[in-house]
Amino acid sequence: QQPVQSPQAVILREGEDAVINCSSSKALYSVHWYRQKHGEAPVFLMILLKGGEQKGHEKISASFNEKKQQSSLYLTASQLSYSGTYFCGTPPGMYSGGGADGLTFGKGTHLIIQP
Amino acid sequence: DTGVSQNPRHKITKRGQNVTFRCDPISEHNRLYWYRQTLGQGPEFLTYFQNEAQLEKSRLLSDRFSAERPKGSFSTLEIQRTEQGDSAMYLCASRKDGYGYTFGSGTRLTVV
Repeated sequence: QQPVQSPQAVILREGEDAVINCSSSKALYSVHWYRQKHGEAPVFLMILLKGGEQKGHEKISASFNEKKQQSSLYLTASQLSYSGTYFCGTPPGMYSGGGADGLTFGKGTHLIIQP
Repeated sequence: DTGVSQNPRHKITKRGQNVTFRCDPISEHNRLYWYRQTLGQGPEFLTYFQNEAQLEKSRLLSDRFSAERPKGSFSTLEIQRTEQGDSAMYLCASRKDGYGYTFGSGTRLTVV
């Protein structure tokens, strides 16, 4: 089942903060976050694993609430380069913790940062 | 790290023709995935390989689609008897266990 992302779109001024949410109707064992700019491939931002482990290579923070079956991505002091579409992706089952199986992605959140 | 390479970048084909795409993953990544993305949507999972073994295929993948990964290196995705509904961006991704995906730039297929 496809995770649900909210909001669908958000427009910010440079320097403002944003929160993007991802929720699932089934138990989550991990959540991936990616950013895609127009005409480009998705770029990995972060993976959150059950138990609190996080792996990422950008200065973006995220939370993972296993009980509520949701994750949130926090973009603080947004920069123009943060513009793009953000996708969360979830694996299909417990045996695939960490994204071992194919991810199901949400429909995306479009983020526009204005100067 | 030279990234994930996909060829060709663009492919225009007539309905009913067969097409084949190639993906060269990052060499130390043991897992390789194929996704399809249409305008305004997130990537849709098609299939994935762990080394040379194809471990999962999506229900979206009809019998016209086949993927291989000989010797656990590069992978090919073939679509037989293409239909207009096959028009999409086909993305390949690779990763190491426990890490995120590195996506290639994709192959844009247009079926006319």
